[in-house]
Amino acid sequence: GENVEQHPSTLSVQEGDSAVIKCTYSDSASNYFPWYKQELGKGPQLIIDIRSNVGEKKDQRIAVTLNMTAKHFSLHITETQPEDSAVYFCAASSAGSARQLTFGSGTQLTVLP
Amino acid sequence: GAGVSQSPSNKVTEKGKDVELRCDPISGHTALYWYRQSLGQGLEFLIYFQGNSAPDKSGLPSDRFSAERTGGSVSTLTIQRTQQEDSAVYLCASSPTGGYTGELFFGEGSRLTVL
Repeated sequence: GENVEQHPSTLSVQEGDSAVIKCTYSDSASNYFPWYKQELGKGPQLIIDIRSNVGEKKDQRIAVTLNMTAKHFSLHITETQPEDSAVYFCAASSAGSARQLTFGSGTQLTVLP
Repeated sequence: GAGVSQSPSNKVTEKGKDVELRCDPISGHTALYWYRQSLGQGLEFLIYFQGNSAPDKSGLPSDRFSAERTGGSVSTLTIQRTQQEDSAVYLCASSPTGGYTGELFFGEGSRLTVL
């Protein structure tokens, strides 16, 4: 089955700096890669996703890159703000995945004012 | 609100007791998922319901865990003879369709503590 590794587990940055979270996956059939943000006491919420036919996708301060040859994808947050502080999860899935989405173990991002 | 609703938000129980966790998905969503989130861990898939199809139970960790979905809407996750290792946040999510590229809409979770 699919295995998703996520690094780092914790990340602290100064407000205004960039943050990068990286994930690798094992199943070469995976072709959908979403990122979820979980604020304290809340459920995870989708913030951006990318599909196998796209190498990079941006949405304002958030961007995701995908390298299917190396089986890794990354989340980039620029000009970080205190409200970006949360746990971020990457995930992967494929049409043949009986478990639908397989999530990484999460990254606790702290943006220091 | 029109989001996914879970109850109870917190549940403390004694080892060996049974617990039921409820999920009310977004109206009209045909797909419903249960995930478990242990402290400092990722989201572990438990079970998936899609319409009237047989549920995918491949993630249930033992036969003490079961779930049902009545009338294609509300779902109940039941844990029998709870153990301390069952302590976790149980998250429910729904999706408009069961496609693997669909956004999941999560509830706020039910935090279970087994003493």
